[in-house]
Amino acid sequence: DAGVTQSPTHLIKTRGQQVTLRCSPKSGHDTVSWYQQALGQGPQFIFQYYEEEERQRGNFPDRFSGHQFPNYSSELNVNALLLGDSALYLCASSTYREYTFGSGTRLTVV
Amino acid sequence: GNSVTQMEGPVTLSEEAFLTINCTYTATGYPSLFWYVQYPGEGLQLLLKATKADDKGSNKGFEATYRKETTSFHLEKGSVQVSDSAVYFCALSEWETSYDKVIFGPGTSLSVIP
Repeated sequence: DAGVTQSPTHLIKTRGQQVTLRCSPKSGHDTVSWYQQALGQGPQFIFQYYEEEERQRGNFPDRFSGHQFPNYSSELNVNALLLGDSALYLCASSTYREYTFGSGTRLTVV
Repeated sequence: GNSVTQMEGPVTLSEEAFLTINCTYTATGYPSLFWYVQYPGEGLQLLLKATKADDKGSNKGFEATYRKETTSFHLEKGSVQVSDSAVYFCALSEWETSYDKVIFGPGTSLSVIP
């Protein structure tokens, strides 16, 4: 059984560009959460999707947006990239407190 | 709001030494508590968890006991190996009305030297 799959694994973008990251949840999980992990820090909660709607959101600007599809997969979009957006972006799928994390997408903004 | 505090690293130990990484939390209700491990260049792996007071989570020789009276969930291992070198994150999840999320501590880097 595949766990959480994230794509791409790495990418490099230029300041001001837009990026889309993708996440396929673990089978049986219906909720997807996204986290940003800056170098040397703990993951910070961005937002969570359930039933194709954003259910809760952390302290991130509107440049960060997302989407969940009927098959529970999800996308994270970041507009107008800043150098400070460089981080590991982690996706977690869950169902009632059972969380599984993906390996992440390493985003570098230059 | 809910939060997690961990001892600052980095921690450097010799192989076969005893490990303790302190973790305390702040929560309004009854959270579940977790330890995650992150090896260099990788994502997060769940190491162990405890869902109620006095529960002991254990895995791969690591243990942690949910202490509600001291709001703590310290990670211990009796004899560390070089392969345990990684960053360890203490975390909690708590239901708020009908949903929850995981909140992480800042992480503690562990290096084990032969």
